[in-house]
Amino acid sequence: ETGVTQSPTHLIKTRGQQVTLRCSSQSGHNTVSWYQQALGQGPQFIFQYYREEENGRGNFPPRFSGLQFPNYSSELNVNALELDDSALYLCASSLQPQGAIFTDTQYFGPGTRLTVL
Amino acid sequence: GQQLNQSPQSMFIQEGEDVSMNCTSSSIFNTWLWYKQEPGEGPVLLIALYKAGELTSNGRLTAQFGITRKDSFLNISASIPSDVGIYFCAGLYSGGGADGLTFGKGTHLIIQP
Repeated sequence: ETGVTQSPTHLIKTRGQQVTLRCSSQSGHNTVSWYQQALGQGPQFIFQYYREEENGRGNFPPRFSGLQFPNYSSELNVNALELDDSALYLCASSLQPQGAIFTDTQYFGPGTRLTVL
Repeated sequence: GQQLNQSPQSMFIQEGEDVSMNCTSSSIFNTWLWYKQEPGEGPVLLIALYKAGELTSNGRLTAQFGITRKDSFLNISASIPSDVGIYFCAGLYSGGGADGLTFGKGTHLIIQP
């Protein structure tokens, strides 16, 4: 077990709605990354947060946004949901040592299964 | 952007057989990671490789970071039923920006009785 938790486990929304997914990082980790995994595919990088700021982003539109809190927990928000947003959303926590330009290995939570109808 | 080619896509093997899978990239990586994912769960880290040429073992699993930094392989010896799952390679290039992992499409391992 990685110590990374996510909620909720499953979620059903309709097209056009907004959703918030939550992640609690592994103790001692200061960086969180979010990934989208469509059925039968590998995870795709959405964005990463470090010290409460977005640290970089993959090829996802602005309606995907996030927050990182002082306790390093995190939220992923998706606005104006589309059918193609149906996927497993994974968060991964890692430690970026101060002054380093890279993070250590990323550890994944169990994911939130989002279904958009 | 960077892409990972992971092969084979699926493997049907007998219990006790050895397994080999690999990943190749169009770009270099600083880190190669191998994960295993079971249905309804997140990927679980198996092996992390941080240096070109590095060979690392974790029990029956052995992985290597290719010298060109564009490839990696994972071997599983003497497979057992609990090895069933999807294995993903992932590369990380830490160029000073966000450290998002680039994943392969996975190798689905099926063990026949």
